[in-house]
Amino acid sequence: QVQLVQSGAEVKKPGASVKVSCKSSGYTFTSYAMHWVRQAPGQRLEWMGWINAGNGNTKYSQEFQGRVTITRDTSASTAYMELTSLRSEDTAVYYCARYSSHTIVWGQGTLVTVSS
Amino acid sequence: EIVLTQSPATLSLSPGERATLSCRASQSVSSYLAWYQQKPGQAPRLLIYDASNRATGIPARFSGSGSGTDFTLTISSLEPEDFAVYYCQQRSSYTFGQGTKLEIK
Repeated sequence: QVQLVQSGAEVKKPGASVKVSCKSSGYTFTSYAMHWVRQAPGQRLEWMGWINAGNGNTKYSQEFQGRVTITRDTSASTAYMELTSLRSEDTAVYYCARYSSHTIVWGQGTLVTVSS
Repeated sequence: EIVLTQSPATLSLSPGERATLSCRASQSVSSYLAWYQQKPGQAPRLLIYDASNRATGIPARFSGSGSGTDFTLTISSLEPEDFAVYYCQQRSSYTFGQGTKLEIK
């Protein structure tokens, strides 16, 4: 079955960067886009961006433009999301999600805590 | 960037009642709108895609309607497990609405 397994929780200091991985299995990795969505505690969902896993093209939310980079390693069927210049407001659960026309498969989420 | 505005922010109803949730887009998104349900500590669950199509396994009491800029999610008769937060998302630039909390009255 389709599975997305994310890397573990992270604690970072303000100004640092974090890179979260999302390993896929159960389908052809390069046939789907991978999206990243985050949710701060008690807050709304925020779409961050996506990558076409086949050709590597990306699109980012204006909210995160310049701070977020999404990449993929096709040999490892893994997508990555790196967020730089972290601040306390970036404390959130970060999800990867495989979108198709009528289904979405989510990773389990990765808690990133930004604290001095 | 397309902004989605959901209303009301909170909806207080009793089991068995009908729930009507609204999502308005700042510009047309055609029918490219999805609805999600989220419970505490869980990832969102896709309910409706392309404005009116139920996702696999979603009960028939959930229905979606609308096109262009105005969309509605209707739950015909609330079950206890339906009390959660609901989000809309447009699939043009993928922004989410701010959510509607459906709580037990």
